[in-house]
Amino acid sequence: EVQLVESGGGLVKPGGSLRLSCAASGFTFSNAWMHWVRQAPGKGLEWVGRIKRKIDGGTTDLAAPVRGRFSISRDDSKKMLYLQMNSLKTDDTAVYYCTTLPVGVNDNWGQGTLVTVSS
Amino acid sequence: SYELTQPPSVSVSPGQTARITCSGDALPPKYETKFAYWYQQKSGRAPALVIYEDSKRPSGIPERFSGSNSGTVATLTISGAQVEDEADYYCYSTDSSGVFFGGGTKLTVL
Repeated sequence: EVQLVESGGGLVKPGGSLRLSCAASGFTFSNAWMHWVRQAPGKGLEWVGRIKRKIDGGTTDLAAPVRGRFSISRDDSKKMLYLQMNSLKTDDTAVYYCTTLPVGVNDNWGQGTLVTVSS
Repeated sequence: SYELTQPPSVSVSPGQTARITCSGDALPPKYETKFAYWYQQKSGRAPALVIYEDSKRPSGIPERFSGSNSGTVATLTISGAQVEDEADYYCYSTDSSGVFFGGGTKLTVL
């Protein structure tokens, strides 16, 4: 069974940093492009960024609102995905999901972890 | 960057057909082999895929869910909507520059 389990969310002050983790199991993690998607309270889904698999270069793409502040990394040996969030703003308050997004019918999401940016 | 536009809300009575559209230049013609996908999200839960590659239905999704893509407009159709279909629905597409979600449509079945 495929599982994605996020952790690391919590309350942080504006300007602070937080690192989210996502533990993957049940599929070949090293073969997957992995994404972070967030959802602010009462709002829609917003793509945060992605990291390609190493054979595709392992590069990252980040959405404009988080570029320069967030970074994504992966550890294929541990089947872990990370989202490093710096210079956090109140607008970054959201549930953050780790996901493979669909490749054909295969689509997997974690349960999400809540990040609250507030003074 | 691309934008995918959805109506904020759609309302139908039980048994009626609900249609949710997703329009934008992120849904290029078929020769570029880009697809539309649709998610259903119920309150407090992660999104669940209901249509992939324009019109295919994952296992376990009722036959009343169908999808189409004309090239610039993708449509999710729920034929004979049920009360349990009440949820937020998001279209999604992707290209080499990134990933794009529509703004979401709240479907009310009442």
